[in-house]
Amino acid sequence: GIQVEQSPPDLILQEGANSTLRCNFSDSVNNLQWFHQNPWGQLINLFYIPSGTKQNGRLSATTVATERYSLLYISSSQTTDSGVYFCAVELGGLSFGAGTTVTVRA
Amino acid sequence: EAGVAQSPRYKIIEKRQSVAFWCNPISGHATLYWYQQILGQGPKLLIQFQNNGVVDDSQLPKDRFSAERLKGVDSTLKIQPAKLEDSAVYLCASTLRGSELAGLKTQYFGPGTRLLVL
Repeated sequence: GIQVEQSPPDLILQEGANSTLRCNFSDSVNNLQWFHQNPWGQLINLFYIPSGTKQNGRLSATTVATERYSLLYISSSQTTDSGVYFCAVELGGLSFGAGTTVTVRA
Repeated sequence: EAGVAQSPRYKIIEKRQSVAFWCNPISGHATLYWYQQILGQGPKLLIQFQNNGVVDDSQLPKDRFSAERLKGVDSTLKIQPAKLEDSAVYLCASTLRGSELAGLKTQYFGPGTRLLVL
C-alpha cells in the first residue's frame, strides 16, 4: 500500500516561532488532507490540498503532487497549536502518516 | 450543521467480551468510514461504506469485527470477542461523495470511542 512519512516526529516550539512540517508519500494520490488532533483526541480538518497552496490564518499548506510531498507551515505559533498533526492521503479511505507531535511553550 | 456523532465515548470491557459502537454521520453524507487509532499511531481504515454498501473492508479483521449500515445513515461497529490488542480509539468519519469538486471529498471525523480491553 501507499506509504506516508511525516517529519519531524516531534517538534518543540517557543510561542511566536514559525515551523514547517513535511509529509512525503510514495504514490500518486487524488486527495491529501492535513489534520490537527487536539489533546482530547478530536481530529480537525485543516486543509484539503491535493495540489497547490492554501492559507488559513496562521496556517498554510503546499502540496507538490509531482514530487509527492506536502508541507504545512505554522507561523507565530500559539500554545493552542499544540497537538498532533497528521497528513493523510486518499486511496478510498485515508492512509495516515504517524504524525508530528507539536508542543508550543509559553 | 451538526458534526459526526459517536457513542459511547468510553468503554471498558474484559477480553473475550463483546462491544458495539454507534456512529451517526453528517446529514446527507453518503460515505462513512470506521478507523482504528492505536495510541501513538495514525488512524487506520477498517471499513468504508457508500450508502449501505461496503466499498472496502480489506483491513477489517473479519473473524472478530463486523460493521453494518443498514439504512445508509447510522452505522454500528462490533467486536466479538475482544482481545487486549483491540484497545484503541475507534473513529467514525463521513464525506459527501458523488462530486469531484474540491472540498466535497473532505472527511469529517467524530470524537471517537475510547475502548480499553482488560
